[in-house]
Amino acid sequence: GAGVSQSPSNKVTEKGKDVELRCDPISGHTALYWYRQSLGQGLEFLIYFQGNSAPDKSGLPSDRFSAERTGGSVSTLTIQRTQQEDSAVYLCASKLGQGADTQYFGPGTRLTVL
Amino acid sequence: AQSVTQLDSHVSVSEGTPVLLRCNYSSSYSPSLFWYVQHPNKGLQLLLKYTSAATLVKGINGFEAEFKKSETSFHLTKPSAHMSDAAEYFCVVRLRFYNQGGKLIFGQGTELSVKP
Repeated sequence: GAGVSQSPSNKVTEKGKDVELRCDPISGHTALYWYRQSLGQGLEFLIYFQGNSAPDKSGLPSDRFSAERTGGSVSTLTIQRTQQEDSAVYLCASKLGQGADTQYFGPGTRLTVL
Repeated sequence: AQSVTQLDSHVSVSEGTPVLLRCNYSSSYSPSLFWYVQHPNKGLQLLLKYTSAATLVKGINGFEAEFKKSETSFHLTKPSAHMSDAAEYFCVVRLRFYNQGGKLIFGQGTELSVKP
C-alpha cells in the first residue's frame, strides 16, 4: 500500500519568503507528526495532530511556524518569513491511532533558504 | 524527562564482522524504545521496537536489540555486517503522556560504515 508522501521533495527559497510543505499520511492513520532534521539540532519534534486538532505544538520553534490538518488527512506546515536557520529536512510521520506504537515516516522535504 | 544517548557518533566495521551500536536511555517509567535506520537520501525505516514484552527484540535485516533495565541500555547488534548496512541509525524513545501523543525523542544518531 501507499506510504507517507511529502511534497515537494526539495524546496529552495529566498530569505523572507513564505513556504508551504505538504504531507499525505497513510490512509486511515489518525495521528500525524512533523519533525525537523538539521545538522546542528539532529531530529526534533515539531507538532502532533490527532485528527484535525493539535494537542501538542511544543516543538514549533517560533511563531513563524504553523501547521494545519484538514479532513483528518493532509497536513500543511507553513513557514513564514523564512530564515537561513530554517534550512533542514522536514519529515512527516503518521500512525494508526494514539495508542499505536509505530510511526511511519515519509521521505522528507529538503528546504534550503538562501 | 525521557531521553536517549547514543554513545558513538560513528562506527566502522569490516564486512562480515559483528556490529554493535550503543544506546542508553533515561526514563522514570518503563519506556517504549525503537531503532530506526536512515539510508542516504532516504526516509526513516523502523528496524525494531521494544514495548515491554520480550527483552530481546528481533528486527529486520538480521538486527536485534536487548533491553536491559539494570543498565538502562538498548544496544543494537548484528552478527555479520553487510555492505548494505551502511547508514545512519537512530535510537528513539516514545513519550507516553496523553497530550504528548506518543511523540518520539531521537538520539543524535550513529553513522555506520562498512568496509569491504
